Amino acid sequence: EAQVTQNPRYLITVTGKKLTVTCSQNMNHEYMSWYRQDPGLGLRQIYYSMNVEVTDKGDVPEGYKVSRKEKRNFPLILESPSPNQTSLYFCASSLLGQGAPANEKLFFGSGTQLSVL
Amino acid sequence: RKEVEQDPGPFNVPEGATVAFNCTYSNSASQSFFWYRQDCRKEPKLLMSVYSSGNEDGRFTAQLNRASQYISLLIRDSKLSDSATYLCVVTRFNQFYFGTGTSLTVIP
Repeated sequence: EAQVTQNPRYLITVTGKKLTVTCSQNMNHEYMSWYRQDPGLGLRQIYYSMNVEVTDKGDVPEGYKVSRKEKRNFPLILESPSPNQTSLYFCASSLLGQGAPANEKLFFGSGTQLSVL
Repeated sequence: RKEVEQDPGPFNVPEGATVAFNCTYSNSASQSFFWYRQDCRKEPKLLMSVYSSGNEDGRFTAQLNRASQYISLLIRDSKLSDSATYLCVVTRFNQFYFGTGTSLTVIP
């Protein structure tokens, strides 16, 4: 089954304790991205990657890191989480850049609810 | 100015009603256009892509007006199961931009 797998589903941590949210897709998509969703602000892009070893900042990259060592995996790293990073996070992948615009739809993981105390 | 703007609603409509959502985007270089549906705190799912010629999928019709930078979604014969938040999404230079969503509740 084609899917984006994101873990963990829920995470509670304390300020400053490094954490990683994993994301993996099995559709051979070159494009992967991370979003955060906050009330009243919608989904905002944190980072995206067009392919292995190619990553770029989105609209809200401060406080986050990513890596793309393999095509299927795109982890999100918070080196020193702060309470303002409490949010609902989604990973997604797409055929963006690999074919017709009609194929550019995003496939989302099931989300990670992060709380930083 | 936001990249994508939507009326947040909420829209509360009776079953069987027709409801229309609108969305505007600020950058004329925007390339692809979509409507997504999101149920509470779950991942967004693609409802339909939007083309300049307009497109229809069952009870759903989407329109794109590039000259006015305007996207619309029409839902006919609303069902209880249509209750959700509808997100307008555009792409530009390898980034996806989301509207904040329009909340729809269909009432029995």
